[in-house]
Amino acid sequence: DGGITQSPKYLFRKEGQNVTLSCEQNLNHDAMYWYRQDPGQGLRLIYYSQIVNDFQKGDIAEGYSVSREKKESFPLTVTSAQKNPTAFYLCASSITLLNEKLFFGSGTQLSVL
Amino acid sequence: GESVGLHLPTLSVQEGDNSIINCAYSNSASDYFIWYKQESGKGPQFIIDIRSNMDKRQGQRVTVLLNKTVKHLSLQIAATQPGDSAVYFCAEQYAGNMLTFGGGTRLMVKP
Repeated sequence: DGGITQSPKYLFRKEGQNVTLSCEQNLNHDAMYWYRQDPGQGLRLIYYSQIVNDFQKGDIAEGYSVSREKKESFPLTVTSAQKNPTAFYLCASSITLLNEKLFFGSGTQLSVL
Repeated sequence: GESVGLHLPTLSVQEGDNSIINCAYSNSASDYFIWYKQESGKGPQFIIDIRSNMDKRQGQRVTVLLNKTVKHLSLQIAATQPGDSAVYFCAEQYAGNMLTFGGGTRLMVKP
């Protein structure tokens, strides 16, 4: 059963702490993305990766970091520099970069303690 | 809990009625449009898409209409069912750029 798996579903961050959100896909897609979803707003792009060992900043990259060491995995770290991290985070993938059809994971809700 | 769905426009319909969800897009040069459905606690799911060389496309119980003159996109759901309750949002794309997403509309189906 192919798909995108995000974990954990809920995550709490203490002040000054870095936290990492996991995203794994077994769709054999080259491109992967991280979006942030806030109430009443459209999805905003944080980072994206076209291929292994390559990633680019999206519209709101400040306070976040990523890595792409394997094709299947694209973890997102929310650093202490991100002052307003509470949001729903969505990972997505597509066959190639800019292929229109994105496949999404089930999301991680991050909250600040 | 999840933060999706707060402060969204809401459409409430009776089960069995048809639903129409609207989306105004921003870029007259956009050439591809897509509708997603997002149920509570889940990620968005693809519903239907349309390219700018078309003005209508039909799927199973869903129809997307595109009016390029007024930059308007609509999603019609026939015979709405309780399982259709979700947040629906559109996205647009132009010239090989990233998708730009709208804020979404919450559809509530009353039994």
